Amino acid sequence: AQTVTQSQPEMSVQEAETVTLSCTYDTSESNYYLFWYKQPPSRQMILVIRQEAYKQQNATENRFSVNFQKAAKSFSLKISDSQLGDTAMYFCAFGETSGSRLTFGEGTQLTVNP
Amino acid sequence: NAGVMQNPRHLVRRRGQEARLRCSPMKGHSHVYWYRQLPEEGLKFMVYLQKENIIDESGMPKERFSAEFPKEGPSILRIQQVVRGDSAAYFCASSRFGSYEQYFGPGTRLTVT
Repeated sequence: AQTVTQSQPEMSVQEAETVTLSCTYDTSESNYYLFWYKQPPSRQMILVIRQEAYKQQNATENRFSVNFQKAAKSFSLKISDSQLGDTAMYFCAFGETSGSRLTFGEGTQLTVNP
Repeated sequence: NAGVMQNPRHLVRRRGQEARLRCSPMKGHSHVYWYRQLPEEGLKFMVYLQKENIIDESGMPKERFSAEFPKEGPSILRIQQVVRGDSAAYFCASSRFGSYEQYFGPGTRLTVT
């Protein structure tokens, strides 16, 4: 079974600075998908960024980028120019193939301070 | 284009009652997933459905829980004889056929008193 581990229960960062959230996973599959979801106080789950394992290039979405290290089974999220609205719980998730379940980590609570 | 819709947003049930949670997927999406989030925890997969078919229910508790996605209408997650431990947020997600991206609804927060 796949497992996803987020070793940082809480993190904080000053507004406009950069922060990196860590995620590691365990799988025997060669092709899969990785995601970062954001859950603000409203509890809505918002897809932040996704990465296909067969792609070597790291995904980027505006201020959000990932560092995908397939051999190390590591998938970290970097948030640049942090904004107050980035305050949320961030979940790393693993998906085996299209149309399959997602396995989530336990989350990292990020607080952006003014 | 409306997102995934869930209702009710909040549901209070007494122990022993039944809870029915509804999920309408995004337009054009034929796959529905249900996840449960206990307090202070991540989301845990429960069941994956396509229209009129349960594809994977390996995350569903063996008793009291059932799910359906009929040809017409929303997907329903049904919890019979609720207990305090069922109190949680229940999220529905949907995706297109062949897509790996799942889009989540706002969740239903179930409180069992």
